Amino acid sequence: AQKITQTQPGMFVQEKEAVTLDCTYDTSDQSYGLFWYKQPSSGEMIFLIYQGSYDEQNATEGRYSLNFQKARKSANLVISASQLGDSAMYFCAMKETSGSRLTFGEGTQLTVNP
Amino acid sequence: DSGVTQTPKHLITATGQRVTLRCSPRSGDLSVYWYQQSLDQGLQFLIQYYNGEERAKGNILERFSAQQFPDLHSELNLSSLELGDSALYFCASSPETLYNEQFFGPGTRLTVL
Repeated sequence: AQKITQTQPGMFVQEKEAVTLDCTYDTSDQSYGLFWYKQPSSGEMIFLIYQGSYDEQNATEGRYSLNFQKARKSANLVISASQLGDSAMYFCAMKETSGSRLTFGEGTQLTVNP
Repeated sequence: DSGVTQTPKHLITATGQRVTLRCSPRSGDLSVYWYQQSLDQGLQFLIQYYNGEERAKGNILERFSAQQFPDLHSELNLSSLELGDSALYFCASSPETLYNEQFFGPGTRLTVL
Protein backbone atom coordinates (compact mmCIF):
# COMPACT_ATOMS: atom_id res chain seq x y z
CA ALA A 1 0.00 0.00 0.00
CA GLN A 2 1.20 3.47 -0.77
CA LYS A 3 2.00 5.84 2.06
CA ILE A 4 3.05 9.48 2.30
CA THR A 5 4.84 10.91 5.33
CA GLN A 6 5.21 14.59 6.12
CA THR A 7 7.16 14.90 9.36
CA GLN A 8 6.87 18.66 9.83
CA PRO A 9 3.49 19.62 11.29
CA GLY A 10 4.47 23.29 11.21
CA MET A 11 7.19 25.39 9.61
CA PHE A 12 8.07 29.06 9.93
CA VAL A 13 10.03 31.14 7.41
CA GLN A 14 10.88 34.80 7.01
CA GLU A 15 9.51 36.64 4.01
CA LYS A 16 11.85 36.46 0.99
CA GLU A 17 13.70 33.42 2.31
CA ALA A 18 13.54 29.91 0.87
CA VAL A 19 11.91 27.01 2.69
CA THR A 20 11.91 23.24 2.18
CA LEU A 21 8.91 21.11 3.09
CA ASP A 22 9.73 17.44 3.53
CA CYS A 23 7.89 14.50 2.03
CA THR A 24 8.81 10.83 1.96
CA TYR A 25 6.79 8.12 0.30
CA ASP A 26 6.49 4.39 0.14
CA THR A 27 5.24 2.36 -2.77
CA SER A 28 5.99 -0.94 -4.45
CA ASP A 29 5.07 0.42 -7.87
CA GLN A 30 7.77 1.48 -10.31
CA SER A 31 5.56 4.03 -12.01
CA TYR A 32 3.95 6.75 -9.95
CA GLY A 33 3.45 10.48 -9.68
CA LEU A 34 4.13 12.86 -6.82
CA PHE A 35 2.15 16.04 -6.26
CA TRP A 36 2.13 19.03 -3.99
CA TYR A 37 -1.06 20.89 -3.18
CA LYS A 38 -1.57 24.13 -1.25
CA GLN A 39 -4.61 24.64 0.96
CA PRO A 40 -5.08 28.24 2.18
CA SER A 41 -7.31 29.00 5.13
CA SER A 42 -10.22 29.43 2.70
CA GLY A 43 -10.11 25.66 2.17
CA GLU A 44 -9.62 25.12 -1.55
CA MET A 45 -6.96 22.71 -2.82
CA ILE A 46 -4.55 24.34 -5.25
CA PHE A 47 -2.28 22.17 -7.40
CA LEU A 48 1.34 23.37 -7.28
CA ILE A 49 3.68 20.90 -8.93
CA TYR A 50 3.97 17.37 -10.30
CA GLN A 51 6.89 14.94 -10.61
CA GLY A 52 6.74 11.63 -12.46
CA SER A 53 8.79 8.74 -11.18
CA TYR A 54 10.60 8.43 -14.51
CA ASP A 55 11.27 12.15 -14.91
CA GLU A 56 15.01 12.70 -14.87
CA GLN A 57 14.83 16.40 -14.15
CA ASN A 58 13.40 17.89 -10.98
CA ALA A 59 10.12 19.64 -11.65
CA THR A 60 9.92 23.43 -11.36
CA GLU A 61 6.94 25.80 -11.53
CA GLY A 62 7.83 29.42 -10.91
CA ARG A 63 8.96 29.74 -7.29
CA TYR A 64 8.20 26.07 -6.60
CA SER A 65 10.62 23.26 -7.23
CA LEU A 66 10.50 19.63 -6.28
CA ASN A 67 13.68 18.01 -4.97
CA PHE A 68 13.12 14.44 -6.10
CA GLN A 69 15.46 11.79 -4.72
CA LYS A 70 14.14 8.48 -5.95
CA ALA A 71 16.56 6.22 -4.10
CA ARG A 72 15.67 7.91 -0.83
CA LYS A 73 11.97 8.00 -1.75
CA SER A 74 11.73 11.67 -0.99
CA ALA A 75 9.98 14.49 -2.84
CA ASN A 76 10.61 17.70 -0.96
CA LEU A 77 8.99 20.96 -2.01
CA VAL A 78 11.23 24.02 -2.14
CA ILE A 79 9.59 27.44 -2.15
CA SER A 80 11.99 30.23 -3.04
CA ALA A 81 11.55 33.88 -2.06
CA SER A 82 8.65 33.20 0.32
CA GLN A 83 5.72 35.61 0.28
CA LEU A 84 3.11 36.32 2.95
CA GLY A 85 0.53 34.72 0.67
CA ASP A 86 2.42 31.42 0.86
CA SER A 87 1.12 30.93 4.41
CA ALA A 88 -1.05 27.84 4.09
CA MET A 89 -1.24 24.08 4.62
CA TYR A 90 0.82 22.11 2.12
CA PHE A 91 0.04 18.52 1.20
CA CYS A 92 2.26 16.02 -0.53
CA ALA A 93 0.38 13.34 -2.46
CA MET A 94 1.12 10.30 -4.58
CA LYS A 95 -0.71 8.49 -7.32
CA GLU A 96 0.36 5.16 -8.69
CA THR A 97 0.16 5.25 -12.48
CA SER A 98 -1.85 2.06 -12.53
CA GLY A 99 -4.43 3.51 -10.16
CA SER A 100 -6.56 6.56 -9.81
CA ARG A 101 -6.63 7.69 -6.24
CA LEU A 102 -4.40 10.30 -4.65
CA THR A 103 -2.91 9.35 -1.30
CA PHE A 104 -2.14 12.38 0.84
CA GLY A 105 0.25 13.06 3.68
CA GLU A 106 -0.87 14.76 6.86
CA GLY A 107 0.25 18.17 5.69
CA THR A 108 2.63 20.89 6.84
CA GLN A 109 1.33 24.26 8.04
CA LEU A 110 3.65 26.94 6.68
CA THR A 111 3.70 30.39 8.23
CA VAL A 112 5.57 33.20 6.48
CA ASN A 113 6.60 35.99 8.84
CA PRO A 114 7.08 39.59 7.66
CA ASP B 1 -10.73 28.66 -10.43
CA SER B 2 -10.31 24.96 -11.26
CA GLY B 3 -13.54 24.74 -13.25
CA VAL B 4 -15.00 22.17 -10.84
CA THR B 5 -18.10 23.35 -9.00
CA GLN B 6 -19.57 21.97 -5.80
CA THR B 7 -22.84 22.78 -4.09
CA PRO B 8 -23.71 23.62 -1.45
CA LYS B 9 -20.67 25.39 -0.02
CA HIS B 10 -21.81 24.83 3.55
CA LEU B 11 -24.30 22.38 5.01
CA ILE B 12 -25.44 22.12 8.61
CA THR B 13 -27.64 19.23 9.61
CA ALA B 14 -28.51 16.97 12.52
CA THR B 15 -27.49 13.45 13.40
CA GLY B 16 -29.53 10.78 11.65
CA GLN B 17 -30.30 12.96 8.64
CA ARG B 18 -29.45 12.41 4.99
CA VAL B 19 -27.75 14.92 2.69
CA THR B 20 -26.69 15.08 -0.95
CA LEU B 21 -23.57 16.83 -2.14
CA ARG B 22 -23.32 17.79 -5.79
CA CYS B 23 -20.33 18.13 -8.07
CA SER B 24 -19.98 19.33 -11.64
CA PRO B 25 -16.63 18.39 -13.19
CA ARG B 26 -14.62 20.50 -15.59
CA SER B 27 -15.99 20.54 -19.08
CA GLY B 28 -14.92 17.38 -20.86
CA ASP B 29 -13.60 15.57 -17.79
CA LEU B 30 -14.96 12.04 -17.55
CA SER B 31 -13.53 11.07 -14.19
CA VAL B 32 -14.85 12.32 -10.85
CA TYR B 33 -13.29 11.63 -7.47
CA TRP B 34 -14.64 12.26 -3.97
CA TYR B 35 -12.37 12.94 -1.01
CA GLN B 36 -13.12 13.58 2.65
CA GLN B 37 -10.98 15.86 4.82
CA SER B 38 -11.53 15.54 8.55
CA LEU B 39 -9.43 16.47 11.56
CA ASP B 40 -8.86 12.90 12.68
CA GLN B 41 -8.60 11.09 9.33
CA GLY B 42 -6.90 13.73 7.23
CA LEU B 43 -7.55 13.76 3.49
CA GLN B 44 -8.75 10.42 2.22
CA PHE B 45 -10.10 9.08 -1.02
CA LEU B 46 -13.69 7.89 -0.96
CA ILE B 47 -14.72 6.84 -4.45
CA GLN B 48 -14.15 7.41 -8.16
CA TYR B 49 -16.52 7.36 -11.10
CA TYR B 50 -15.54 7.29 -14.73
CA ASN B 51 -18.09 8.07 -17.42
CA GLY B 52 -20.95 6.92 -15.23
CA GLU B 53 -19.38 3.77 -13.87
CA GLU B 54 -17.82 3.20 -10.46
CA ARG B 55 -14.08 2.75 -11.03
CA ALA B 56 -12.40 2.67 -7.62
CA LYS B 57 -13.49 2.59 -4.03
CA GLY B 58 -11.59 3.80 -0.99
CA ASN B 59 -12.53 4.27 2.62
CA ILE B 60 -16.18 4.94 1.96
CA LEU B 61 -18.68 3.96 4.62
CA GLU B 62 -21.69 1.82 3.72
CA ARG B 63 -23.91 4.74 4.78
CA PHE B 64 -22.38 6.75 1.93
CA SER B 65 -23.09 6.25 -1.75
CA ALA B 66 -22.34 8.10 -4.94
CA GLN B 67 -23.32 8.16 -8.56
CA GLN B 68 -22.38 9.89 -11.77
CA PHE B 69 -25.10 10.92 -14.14
CA PRO B 70 -25.15 10.95 -17.98
CA ASP B 71 -24.28 14.66 -18.00
CA LEU B 72 -21.21 13.66 -15.89
CA HIS B 73 -22.17 15.52 -12.76
CA SER B 74 -21.86 13.47 -9.61
CA GLU B 75 -23.67 13.29 -6.29
CA LEU B 76 -22.44 11.97 -2.97
CA ASN B 77 -25.21 10.82 -0.66
CA LEU B 78 -24.54 10.62 3.06
CA SER B 79 -27.18 9.01 5.25
CA SER B 80 -27.74 8.27 8.95
CA LEU B 81 -25.30 11.05 9.65
CA GLU B 82 -23.10 10.95 12.74
CA LEU B 83 -21.11 13.67 14.44
CA GLY B 84 -17.92 12.13 13.03
CA ASP B 85 -19.12 12.72 9.47
CA SER B 86 -18.50 16.43 9.90
CA ALA B 87 -15.79 17.20 7.36
CA LEU B 88 -14.85 19.03 4.21
CA TYR B 89 -15.87 16.98 1.19
CA PHE B 90 -13.99 17.60 -2.02
CA CYS B 91 -14.83 16.61 -5.52
CA ALA B 92 -12.04 16.45 -8.10
CA SER B 93 -12.09 15.71 -11.80
CA SER B 94 -9.68 14.69 -14.52
CA PRO B 95 -10.01 13.93 -18.23
CA GLU B 96 -9.38 10.22 -17.69
CA THR B 97 -8.37 7.83 -14.97
CA LEU B 98 -4.67 7.73 -15.75
CA TYR B 99 -4.36 11.49 -16.22
CA ASN B 100 -1.90 12.83 -13.72
CA GLU B 101 -3.50 15.94 -12.30
CA GLN B 102 -6.81 16.04 -10.48
CA PHE B 103 -8.58 19.39 -10.39
CA PHE B 104 -10.27 20.05 -7.08
CA GLY B 105 -13.51 21.87 -6.46
CA PRO B 106 -13.90 24.34 -3.59
CA GLY B 107 -15.38 21.71 -1.28
CA THR B 108 -18.57 21.35 0.74
CA ARG B 109 -18.21 21.85 4.45
CA LEU B 110 -20.60 19.54 6.28
CA THR B 111 -21.37 20.11 9.93
CA VAL B 112 -23.41 17.49 11.78
CA LEU B 113 -24.87 18.72 15.06
